[in-house]
Amino acid sequence: HVQLVESGGGVVQPGRSLRLSCAASGFTFSNYGIHWVRQAPGKGLEWVALIAYDGSKKYNADSVKGRFTISRDNSKDTVFLQMNSLRVEDTAVYYCARDKIDHLVGLGDAFDIWGQGTLVTVSS
Amino acid sequence: AIQLTQSPSSLSASVGDRVTITCRASQDISGALAWFQQQPGKAPKLLIYDASDLGSGVPSRFSGSGSGTDYTLSISSLQPEDFASYYCQQFKSYPLTFGGGTKVEIK
Repeated sequence: HVQLVESGGGVVQPGRSLRLSCAASGFTFSNYGIHWVRQAPGKGLEWVALIAYDGSKKYNADSVKGRFTISRDNSKDTVFLQMNSLRVEDTAVYYCARDKIDHLVGLGDAFDIWGQGTLVTVSS
Repeated sequence: AIQLTQSPSSLSASVGDRVTITCRASQDISGALAWFQQQPGKAPKLLIYDASDLGSGVPSRFSGSGSGTDYTLSISSLQPEDFASYYCQQFKSYPLTFGGGTKVEIK
């Protein structure tokens, strides 16, 4: 069964750090780029970051640049999102999602598999 | 960054109605557009990619069209399970961006 499972969410104070994980199963993880997308409570979707299938390319949204770092460990079929200097406005459900096309280095055409999401709450 | 403007932001419709949602990009995205459906409390689900290609397992009542800056998602005959929020997303350039969403409610 092809799936992505996020973990690591929780309640954290502003300025602190948190690391999210996205564990894959049911497919050859090392062939696919993985994205993080977030959704603030009651709001729309916001793309956060991408890491290419081999880790050679990474992109971040401007809103998290310099604070969030995406990485992957293909030996553990897992992608990470290290979130530093967290702000109240980072409060959201964080989803990881897979590029539909494998071995992609440039832009893809859709996300075909999504995790169930993990909630991050930044509050004092 | 490319901005996507969806309209309407919400609509009320009945089972069996035809529904159309539009997504306008701030610049030509050459068909690099996907549509997602999101049920409350659930992850988004891919409906359409490359503006008009149906995602795997997606019912044929969903269709997408458009080019340049203007795109539409149509549902030919609304079913009870289609009451949800819908988002467009562009894949023309980074940062990837989503439209603001359209909530389809029961009339």
